[in-house]
Amino acid sequence: QVQLVQSGAEVKKPGSSVKVSCKASGGTFSTYAINWVRQAPGQGLVWMGGIIPRFGRANYAQKFQGRVTITADESTSTAYMELSSLRFEDTAVYFCARINYRSGAAAGDGFDIWGQGTMVTVSS
Amino acid sequence: DIQMTQSPSTLSASVGDRVTITCRASQSISSWLAWYQQKPGKAPRLLIYKTSILESGVPSTFSGSGSGTEFTLTISSLQPDDFATYYCQEYNTYLLTFGPGTTVNVK
Repeated sequence: QVQLVQSGAEVKKPGSSVKVSCKASGGTFSTYAINWVRQAPGQGLVWMGGIIPRFGRANYAQKFQGRVTITADESTSTAYMELSSLRFEDTAVYFCARINYRSGAAAGDGFDIWGQGTMVTVSS
Repeated sequence: DIQMTQSPSTLSASVGDRVTITCRASQSISSWLAWYQQKPGKAPRLLIYKTSILESGVPSTFSGSGSGTEFTLTISSLQPDDFATYYCQEYNTYLLTFGPGTTVNVK
């Protein structure tokens, strides 16, 4: 069974960047979409963007366009999310999650496997 | 962009109760809707996809219905493990919008 294991917690200064990794083990990596979802303290889930490693092109939520870069390294079965120009309000738990394609939906059928989450704190 | 709403935002219930959560989309999303359960400090768990298909391992007390713009998640008999926050999510587009969540707590 595929597992997604994320890198550890980060503390960053405003204006800096953070790069979070998500390593897949136990299954096929390249043909599924890996996406990133964040959750600010006490708030809901917000989709940030995703990538299908085999194709290499990412798509992003408009809210994060220009600040987020999602990449994938097939050789190490690892996806990355880099968020730049960090602000206090970027303090959140960042999850990676796999989209499974089962019923014919172009965008897949929801996130069936999730990483454990990475806490990113932006503090001066 | 598609906007998702959920009602109620909070729901108080007892073990054994039948619970229904409603999710509405600002435009038709056909049947491309998923439901998640999240407990504090944990990653969300996929419960249902394509409106009504139960993810493997999810108890049959959970069910989903709807189409177009209005959807429901029903828990037929609430169990102690079901107290959590529930999110709907559309995937009609590549923008994958979540609803704001419904918290089910103990009455």
